[in-house]
Amino acid sequence: KAGVTQTPRYLIKTRGQQVTLSCSPISGHRSVSWYQQTPGQGLQFLFEYFSETQRNKGNFPGRFSGRQFSNSRSEMNVSTLELGDSALYLCASSLEEAGNTIYFGEGSWLTVV
Amino acid sequence: AQSVSQHNHHVILSEAASLELGCNYSYGGTVNLFWYVQYPGQHLQLLLKYFSGDPLVKGIKGFEAEFIKSKFSFNLRKPSVQWSDTAEYFCAVKLTGGGNKLTFGTGTQLKVEL
Repeated sequence: KAGVTQTPRYLIKTRGQQVTLSCSPISGHRSVSWYQQTPGQGLQFLFEYFSETQRNKGNFPGRFSGRQFSNSRSEMNVSTLELGDSALYLCASSLEEAGNTIYFGEGSWLTVV
Repeated sequence: AQSVSQHNHHVILSEAASLELGCNYSYGGTVNLFWYVQYPGQHLQLLLKYFSGDPLVKGIKGFEAEFIKSKFSFNLRKPSVQWSDTAEYFCAVKLTGGGNKLTFGTGTQLKVEL
């Protein structure tokens, strides 16, 4: 079955713009999480959505937001982009059961110039 | 605050050498533990996970890890590494009952030389 799919894979934005990234989870997975990966800070949790509700939130400013749709697909948005937002943004999905594995997508590479 | 520590940031080994990567966590509750691997240019892949039961867990590609609760550790091991094991390795922790929020260590870059 298809894995976690993220679009777009690569994008370049200008400082001050906004960006929307999309994630399609594995079929049947209702939990979707987002992470930011940078060389300096490593992998940091942004937020998790489950059944269209934000269940967990990391320590990122309000410029970072997300949502989940009824089909479990998720989007994250970053407004007023800063140079420091340049990163690999990873989406992960999982089933809601004990012992669940969390599967990651290939990520969206965002460069802010 | 919850945290995960990986002690080795860069490791260089020759093929056939044994590998052990350290991981310690700081959490107050019951945890689930994971090791993920990121090969160059590829996405994060799960190597192995611990949820309960036997503290020695076996994963893919000959990797194993041992959960030592008293030491808050979950070290990754492989008896004999191969050049293809060159990658970055991440330890991650999730609180049980806390949704699917993973806290990652800073990663260990492993280079295996021929």
